[in-house]
Amino acid sequence: EAEVAQSPRYKITEKSQAVAFWCDPISGHATLYWYRQILGQGPELLVQFQDESVVDDSQLPKDRFSAERLKGVDSTLKIQPAELGDSAMYLCASSFPAGGQETQYFGPGTRLLVL
Amino acid sequence: AQRVTQPEKLLSVFKGAPVELKCNYSYSGSPELFWYVQYSRQRLQLLLRHISRESIKGFTADLNKGETSFHLKKPFAQEEDSAMYYCAPHNQAGTALIFGKGTTLSVSS
Repeated sequence: EAEVAQSPRYKITEKSQAVAFWCDPISGHATLYWYRQILGQGPELLVQFQDESVVDDSQLPKDRFSAERLKGVDSTLKIQPAELGDSAMYLCASSFPAGGQETQYFGPGTRLLVL
Repeated sequence: AQRVTQPEKLLSVFKGAPVELKCNYSYSGSPELFWYVQYSRQRLQLLLRHISRESIKGFTADLNKGETSFHLKKPFAQEEDSAMYYCAPHNQAGTALIFGKGTTLSVSS
């Protein structure tokens, strides 16, 4: 069964360093989401792509976060510079358009620890 | 602001007992409504969606538009139901999900 892939699974970095996360969605899924999940909270949408275009990045801290999906397939989320408060689980999800009834398929996540 | 409230952080029940996980959303209209679940060491996955009116693993969810609630229910809990449950309605734009903080369901024998 096809799954969303993410790497790395864990990342430890020092504040002010740059980090990058990679996501490979399920083949054929046009919509890709990046979420941040702080411990004890639910996932919070950072950015949503439809193919290579950004649909919603209203919650993305654009001074330090960037996301791209250049060919409309895999995607990279970058943080530069990382801050202590960025420690969280970063989840990627993908879906196939279904008129608002899309099932989002989640990856295993990347757990980031900023020291 | 669009908010989703799951008032119980932890719900502990015995096997065979009824379960109700509460969810309230703060905005009017008719958002699409979903429940997602995360079992131990597994990925977050869809449990059920309101529009399907289906029962998945014995769970159903009732929409009350007047109370803006979408509670998840199961008449007889099983140990394998132990997991983290997230209520997730669409935002008002209909473009993305808003997740609650989640409720941990613990079913013991």
